[in-house]
Formats: sequence, structure tokens, C-alpha cells
Amino acid sequence: AIRMTQSPSSFSASTGDRVTITCRASQDISSHLAWYQQKPGRAPKLLIYLASTLQSGVPSRFSGSGSGTDFTLTISCLQSEDFANYFCQQYHSYPLTFGGGTTVEI
Amino acid sequence: QVQLQESGPGLVKPSQTLSLTCTVSGGSITSGGFYWSWIRQPAGKGLEWIGRLDTSGSTNYIPSLRSRVTISIDTSKNQLSLRLNSVTAADTAIYYCARETRPTWDYYYYMDVWGKGTTVTVSS
Repeated sequence: AIRMTQSPSSFSASTGDRVTITCRASQDISSHLAWYQQKPGRAPKLLIYLASTLQSGVPSRFSGSGSGTDFTLTISCLQSEDFANYFCQQYHSYPLTFGGGTTVEI
Repeated sequence: QVQLQESGPGLVKPSQTLSLTCTVSGGSITSGGFYWSWIRQPAGKGLEWIGRLDTSGSTNYIPSLRSRVTISIDTSKNQLSLRLNSVTAADTAIYYCARETRPTWDYYYYMDVWGKGTTVTVSS
């Protein structure tokens, strides 16, 4: 199975900050990577698919980049509603696998 | 706007069968060429994909659960189902269902809609 390593696991930030989360795949997954936002008690929300394509309705302050094995999610100007858990997922091969998650705290 | 809602017993005894349903509203489970997945998350841990089903009935499962899991569709109820046999405490988790889609020009599916999840505890 492809192992997805996400970093950092958590960090503190302030509104207005630019934040970057990284995700590394244990083997080449082309651009078949998605990023999700998760808040307690709510359905995970798709932010980015195909490594860099913004899902409809997601604010443009979210962006994704990378291909192959190294990927990043960037939030250009952190808003209060962005304090949440973020995780990456590869959908290049079975079994589908997820990163361990990154918690963005105030 | 498609919405997914998981449901099922919150408590299951060890060695018994866990049965969950995912009700799809706002769209037909058989239209659109979507795939449908189950994912779980033990408390304080990461997400684990369990398996998926496409509307032709083909399934793929994570190898570690393949001998115990069945994913199916009830088209009359517009529901996705999960059955997990011989459960243990290690199966205690929040269980999510998700819809998968793909760009028309790509063969790879990603999860675009998730349910809120349902908590299952395995305990006597």
C-alpha cells in the first residue's frame, strides 16, 4: 500500500497567516491526490483534487501543488473558519490511503 | 445537492456483525457513474479506506478486511450498505460513506461528497 506522510501533525497559527502543509507519497502517484478539511461532527469537505484543482465553491485562498511524490496545501491568508484538521489522500492505486492529518490550531 | 447520511447501531458486541447504511438524498445512487466508498476513523487515529463499489456492482476492498467485509447497494432505497463480520474492539471507529467522482478525461476517482459519519463501538 502507498504510505502517505503528512507534516506537520499540528501547529498553531494566527488569522492572516500563510500556512503550508506537506504530504509525501511513498511512491509515484502522478497527480492523483486530494486534500480535505475536517471539523468535529461535520462531514469532511473536499478542497482540492488532482493535486491542484480547486473544488467548486472552495475559497481561492486554498491552493495545492505538486506531483509524483511531494505535494503541498497552502492557505494564503488564514481565516477563523480555517482552523480545522486537514488530510491528504491518494487515489492513484488500491488500497486508497490517507495522510495522518494536520491540525491547524489558533 | 447530494447528501449522505450514515446510520446503524452505535454498539455492537464482539464477534457479531456490524451493519451500517448510507442513505443518499438529492440524487440517484445508480446514476452519474459514481463510485461509493466506506471509510473509518478510530478515535485519535487517521482515516482508513474500507472499500468501494461501483454501480455495476464491482467492489474493491482493503486487503486487511477483505475476508470480513461486504459493500452493497439497495437501489430501491437509494442506500449503500456495509457489513463487517466478526468484529472486535479494533473495529471501534467513526464510519463514513463517501461518493466518488472523476473528471471526464481521467480514469481516477476522488471522494467529493462525504457523510457526517456514525460512531460504532464494539463492546460487550
